[in-house]
Amino acid sequence: NAGVMQNPRHLVRRRGQEARLRCSPMKGHSHVYWYRQLPEEGLKFMVYLQKENIIDESGMPKERFSAEFPKEGPSILRIQQVVRGDSAAYFCASSPQAGTSGRESSYEQYFGPGTRLTVT
Amino acid sequence: RKEVEQDPGPFNVPEGATVAFNCTYSNSASQSFFWYRQDCRKEPKLLMSVYSSGNEDGRFTAQLNRASQYISLLIRDSKLSDSATYLCVVTHTGFQKLVFGTGTRLLVSP
Repeated sequence: NAGVMQNPRHLVRRRGQEARLRCSPMKGHSHVYWYRQLPEEGLKFMVYLQKENIIDESGMPKERFSAEFPKEGPSILRIQQVVRGDSAAYFCASSPQAGTSGRESSYEQYFGPGTRLTVT
Repeated sequence: RKEVEQDPGPFNVPEGATVAFNCTYSNSASQSFFWYRQDCRKEPKLLMSVYSSGNEDGRFTAQLNRASQYISLLIRDSKLSDSATYLCVVTHTGFQKLVFGTGTRLLVSP
């Protein structure tokens, strides 16, 4: 069972360009979360999505940031007109549907390797 | 005040030592509790969930005190490979987003 996949692993963008980060959840997981980790800081929640729905975007900056999780394909975190302050590690996590049997809890989230965004 | 507070460390211990980390959370509506570990420049990895009755997984023991809003992690017989940052994490009732502490760094030396 492949883990959460993210690409690209490293992304360099000039100020003003767009950044697109992709996340494929673990097989059987339908909940996707995006977190950001600024240098020397803790992880901060950004957005929680299920297929075709944004459930909680309380951690998303009001401008330039958007996220989607289409019916087919990976979840995308899009940052328009990047600025130096957007440089960070962006992690995606996934969790199974509620009610999944076995040890795995619907609240246990499993993280991808992250995308390190550098804005020059 | 941060919602999840941890001593940043670092904790420097020799191999074989027992080390304990503490964490406090401020939101009494917090529902689920976890310890994650994060190696340098890597993703967080789930170490264990924390239950009200306390739970143990090999050398690791986690405790939860809801009345004091306090979570602990005990590592026995420390190994070099335990060197990492340990993240205390909570979720809230009705929501599934994880709220992370800033982590406690552990360095285990030979």
